[in-house]
Amino acid sequence: NAGVMQNPRHLVRRRGQEARLRCSPMKGHSHVYWYRQLPEEGLKFMVYLQKENIIDESGMPKERFSAEFPKEGPSILRIQQVVRGDSAAYFCASSQQQGFSGNTIYFGEGSWLTVV
Amino acid sequence: AQSVTQLGSHVSVSEGALVLLRCNYSSSVPPYLFWYVQYPNQGLQLLLKYTTGATLVKGINGFEAEFKKSETSFHLTKPSAHMSDAAEYFCAVRAGLGAGKSTFGDGTTLTVKP
Repeated sequence: NAGVMQNPRHLVRRRGQEARLRCSPMKGHSHVYWYRQLPEEGLKFMVYLQKENIIDESGMPKERFSAEFPKEGPSILRIQQVVRGDSAAYFCASSQQQGFSGNTIYFGEGSWLTVV
Repeated sequence: AQSVTQLGSHVSVSEGALVLLRCNYSSSVPPYLFWYVQYPNQGLQLLLKYTTGATLVKGINGFEAEFKKSETSFHLTKPSAHMSDAAEYFCAVRAGLGAGKSTFGDGTTLTVKP
């Protein structure tokens, strides 16, 4: 059973370009979470999605950032017009169901974005 | 609202010594608490979690943590450190209905000296 798959693992973008990060949840998982980890900091929640629905985007920056989890295919975190402050590790996690909040979630290995 | 404070951003112990990583939390709902380990350039791996029931929780790699409601603490311990324990450790508290929405502490880097 493959784990949470993220790609690319490393991405370099110039200021103003777009970054697209992809996340395939574990098999059987329909809940996806995106977190951002800035250098020397802990993880900060960004967004929680189910298939075709954004459940909680309270941690998403108001501009330039968007996320989707289509019926088919991976979840996508999209950052438009990247700036140097977007340089961070972006982690995706998935879980099986929402109902019990103690359910274990599984993290991918992250996508490291560097903006030059 | 929920928050997590990890006391000590860096902890150094000798191999074979006790490991103690401190975590205090605040939560407006009954807390679910987690400890994760992160090795360089890797994702997070769950060490252990407290949801309900027994307050002493045992996890992987010999780690355990005790939930103390009166002290709002969830400290992580291991009796004898191993070199392979060197990593960054994060404490987290459930922050919403979703299983995966958590508030994380800023992390504690554990160094193990030979």
